[in-house]
Amino acid sequence: EAGVAQSPRYKIIEKRQSVAFWCNPISGHATLYWYQQILGQGPKLLIQFQNNGVVDDSQLPKDRFSAERLKGVDSTLKIQPAKLEDSAVYLCASSLDAGGQPQHFGDGTRLSIL
Amino acid sequence: AQSVAQPEDQVNVAEGNPLTVKCTYSVSGNPYLFWYVQYPNRGLQFLLKYITGDNLVKGSYGFEAEFNKSQTSFHLKKPSALVSDSALYFCAVRRPFYGGSQGNLIFGKGTKLSVKP
Repeated sequence: EAGVAQSPRYKIIEKRQSVAFWCNPISGHATLYWYQQILGQGPKLLIQFQNNGVVDDSQLPKDRFSAERLKGVDSTLKIQPAKLEDSAVYLCASSLDAGGQPQHFGDGTRLSIL
Repeated sequence: AQSVAQPEDQVNVAEGNPLTVKCTYSVSGNPYLFWYVQYPNRGLQFLLKYITGDNLVKGSYGFEAEFNKSQTSFHLKKPSALVSDSALYFCAVRRPFYGGSQGNLIFGKGTKLSVKP
């Protein structure tokens, strides 16, 4: 089966600019996650979707980050405006459900803020 | 509060020797525990999970993990390390489905495994 697809792989922007990331999960996976992974740390959940609804966005900085999953398939994560501390790898993952099923990760987008 | 600790930033092992990567957890109720591996510039790959049943869980690439409830540990092990096992390893615990949580994962900070020939 095809894995989780993410684009772009790399992005360099200046602070205060905006940026968007795209994710296409594994076909049939109802649950989609966006994580932020800062260098030297484990992934931190930003937002979790169940189909096209948000079920957990408690750690999403909503003043600058937004995400959507239209039609319950693809998802986009946006940052506007970006800050220096947003430099990180943004990982998308999907799973069949939110129970004990393992999450499958994409290769991520490495974001550098100048 | 739920948490995961990986006490070692790095583990060094000679090829052919057994390896252990340590993980301890704190969670309310029965834990769901996971190990993932991350190679450079790649996403995380699932290795194995413990939900219930036998305390020794077998996973991908010859890895296994031992669940110890009394010590709240879930250490990752492999009898004979390969150079290709060199990577970053993450332990994770699933939040329980109550208190507003949706059962998502909390990850440890990761342990870098280096296997030398």
